Order: sequence, then structure tokens, then C-alpha cells
Amino acid sequence: NAGVTQTPKFRILKIGQSMTLQCAQDMNHNYMYWYRQDPGMGLKLIYYSVGAGITDKGEVPNGYNVSRSTTEDFPLRLELAAPSQTSVYFCASSYVQGGSYEQYFGPGTRLTVT
Amino acid sequence: GENVEQHPSTLSVQEGDSAVIKCTYSDSASNYFPWYKQELGKGPQLIIDIRSNVGEKKDQRIAVTLNKTAKHFSLHITETQPEDSAVYFCAAPHPYSGGGADGLTFGKGTHLIIQP
Repeated sequence: NAGVTQTPKFRILKIGQSMTLQCAQDMNHNYMYWYRQDPGMGLKLIYYSVGAGITDKGEVPNGYNVSRSTTEDFPLRLELAAPSQTSVYFCASSYVQGGSYEQYFGPGTRLTVT
Repeated sequence: GENVEQHPSTLSVQEGDSAVIKCTYSDSASNYFPWYKQELGKGPQLIIDIRSNVGEKKDQRIAVTLNKTAKHFSLHITETQPEDSAVYFCAAPHPYSGGGADGLTFGKGTHLIIQP
């Protein structure tokens, strides 16, 4: 299994541009998450999904959108990029059953907005 | 929502000594407390977790203790080795849901440095 994969690894955007960060998992996990990590800080939850067709906001959803059309994919869309969205973005997935909540993280996408 | 405080931000210990990292949380309904290790350039990886129905859990050189009354939990690493050098994060469930399924609130992290 590849686990959780993310593309691209690095990206530089100009202010006002848009892009989609891709995330895929091949573990048949029902839950998926997007976090952002700013320098010297912990991860903050942007959006999460409990299954295909269902998404919900996390702690910092403003400026982002998500969709979950399949179990495997959970893309994160940035519209009108701003410097405040410069961060490292991590996607994670989890198989929630019987009280097990372990989240498996991807390698991250480093985004710079200038 | 949950608020997680983590201390210290940096911890330097001699190889072979023990390291302790502490976290406090605010939501008394939280019942799941994981610890993640993040190596440079990688995503976090779960190293141990504990549920609120137990006070301590061990896995070889790593242990986690939980005090629900005081709302704090700690990571203990014994006989530290160079490969333990990394950033460690504690976490608690987010949002107010008790369990960890709906995402996690992370502490700010502890940079653990193992001195040879």
C-alpha cells in the first residue's frame, strides 16, 4: 500500500491565484482530514470528511473548500490565494471503528504565496 | 472547542537519559489522547495513544500517563537514543465530540534533542 499520497510536494502561488492540493489514500479509510502547519506551531484542522459525499469544517476553514466524491480522494481547493495561506498542508486518513482513531498522515505539500 | 497546551517547546537530554513532555487540555469530555512524532520533512506518525479509562500505557521505551482530574497527560521516553530526536506533538479530540474521529487539536510541539 502507498498509504496517503499528496501532490504536489512544493508549490509557489501568486496572490489571487487558485489551486487544488491533491490527496489520495489506498487503505479504504472512511475518515479523511486536512491540516495546516505553520512554522513552530502544531497542526490546525481545516476540513474533515466522515465518508464520500460528507464534509465538515474544522478550526480554520476560511479560504478553503473540499469535496469527497470517492472514498479514496479528498482534494483541498484554495481560491484567491493570500500570503496568510503560506504553510505546509497535511492530509490524513483514519479508519474509525471500535474506538481506534489512529490518523495516517501524508508527506505534506509546502505552499508559498507571494 | 479544545485547547491543548504543551511544554517544553525544546528539550535537550543526554543520550541514555529520560525525557518527559507534558500537555494539558481544556475539554473534560475528551477521552482520547495521542502522541505523534514528526521527523524533518515528514508527516506526523502516531507513537502511542491512551484512552480516558486507563491511567497509564507503555510500549517498550515509551509510556503515556493521564490524569483526568487535572486534565493533563505526559509522554515519557526512557533510555533515549539518537533516533528519538524529532518534534513530538500531543493532541486531543476536536471539536467537542469526546472521541478523536472528527479530527484532532494539536499542541505546538516539543523539539527533542538527544545529545551524544
